[in-house]
Amino acid sequence: AQSVAQPEDQVNVAEGNPLTVKCTYSVSGNPYLFWYVQYPNRGLQFLLKYITGDNLVKGSYGFEAEFNKSQTSFHLKKPSALVSDSALYFCAVRDRTGTASKLTFGTGTRLQVTL
Amino acid sequence: NAGVTQTPKFRVLKTGQSMTLLCAQDMNHEYMYWYRQDPGMGLRLIHYSVGEGTTAKGEVPDGYNVSRLKKQNFLLGLESAAPSQTSVYFCASTSGSYTGELFFGEGSRLTVL
Repeated sequence: AQSVAQPEDQVNVAEGNPLTVKCTYSVSGNPYLFWYVQYPNRGLQFLLKYITGDNLVKGSYGFEAEFNKSQTSFHLKKPSALVSDSALYFCAVRDRTGTASKLTFGTGTRLQVTL
Repeated sequence: NAGVTQTPKFRVLKTGQSMTLLCAQDMNHEYMYWYRQDPGMGLRLIHYSVGEGTTAKGEVPDGYNVSRLKKQNFLLGLESAAPSQTSVYFCASTSGSYTGELFFGEGSRLTVL
């Protein structure tokens, strides 16, 4: 069965500093990996995805993520955090051999960016 | 372009009451999903559908039923609501491609007293 772990419930960073939100995954075979963001009282919004190719994936709002197969990780990064980046972030994985294109989500990491 | 629309957005029920959540998408997507979001537990899949007239159980299906009579609509029903079903419910859809992302609705907050 596929699974995702987000080891940090909350990440705190000062505006202007780089941020990293961690994600590790477990699937049989090669994964499809996704990051979503959720602002208060809103649905999840797609940020970026890894399908194949370059291990560094660029997405919306200046975010990027690095796929590391040997460490089974897909950490979300941004070079310079903004207060407006404060939100709940979810990592998700899809097994390439699974059915129905189901995504399995992590428990989420709350990012708090302060001035 | 509405995307994925959920109704109602808020609902309060008493234990034992029934209700239906409606999800509608206008992107001609084949696959639709119902998730529930609870603090510290992320999103858990309740039921899903890979096309009109088909449904299947997800991770936490007990106490819920679904129907997909039309391609654009996916209904989630609670026949006899329980306090454990207090949650925020999200509908999502996708084209069915393995590389495609899910598109989510804004959520429906349900409280069962």
